[in-house]
Amino acid sequence: QLQLQESGPGLVKPSETLSLTCTVSGGSIRNSGYYWGWIRQPPGKGLEWIGSIYYSGSTYYNPSLKSRVTISVDTSNNHFSLSLTSVTAADTAMFYCARYPLGNSVTFDLWGQGTMVIVSS
Amino acid sequence: SSELTQDPAVSVALGQTVRIACQGDSLRSYYASWYQQKPGQAPLLVIYKNNTRPSGIPARFSGSSSGSTSSLIITGAQAEDEADYYCNSRDISIYHLVTFGGGTKLTVL
Repeated sequence: QLQLQESGPGLVKPSETLSLTCTVSGGSIRNSGYYWGWIRQPPGKGLEWIGSIYYSGSTYYNPSLKSRVTISVDTSNNHFSLSLTSVTAADTAMFYCARYPLGNSVTFDLWGQGTMVIVSS
Repeated sequence: SSELTQDPAVSVALGQTVRIACQGDSLRSYYASWYQQKPGQAPLLVIYKNNTRPSGIPARFSGSSSGSTSSLIITGAQAEDEADYYCNSRDISIYHLVTFGGGTKLTVL
């Protein structure tokens, strides 16, 4: 059974870079039928799509974050990663990784449990 | 980019039917998906392609779509349905961009 697991530091200092990894287990990230994405949720607020990646390396980013975001994929180790630069307190959030199939809808059918990242000195 | 608009809060009496709406121009062209999120949990997919239920989701959850509005319908709401509900879809202008609605807090009275 496919599972996603986020990992990374829970505390990041302002102006530094937030780095998270999503490990895919029970299946291959090379599955050509899916995109892999990052979504965040500030405390008490709604969901915000950060960006997505295909196993080939094609990336798509939220325009509001594009200048600070990089998503990469490591097919050898079956994981994909998020890098968010120049963080501020406004980047404090629960970060989720999730997958969605190719097609005319964006259906996040499998989510990780999420990892909380606090930006604070 | 496009937006998806949801009412911030909706309430329903136990056992009654409630409709949670999601409005946006992109829904004229692309399917909506719906997610349930309970406190401390990751979102759970409850409806996709406007009106399809994933395996394991109770039959009281359904969806409908008309024009620029998609709706999540809970027929016979249960106490355990109290949660936040989010819709999402593709951006109307740029195919690979993803948009979420602001979420609706459902209270079961």
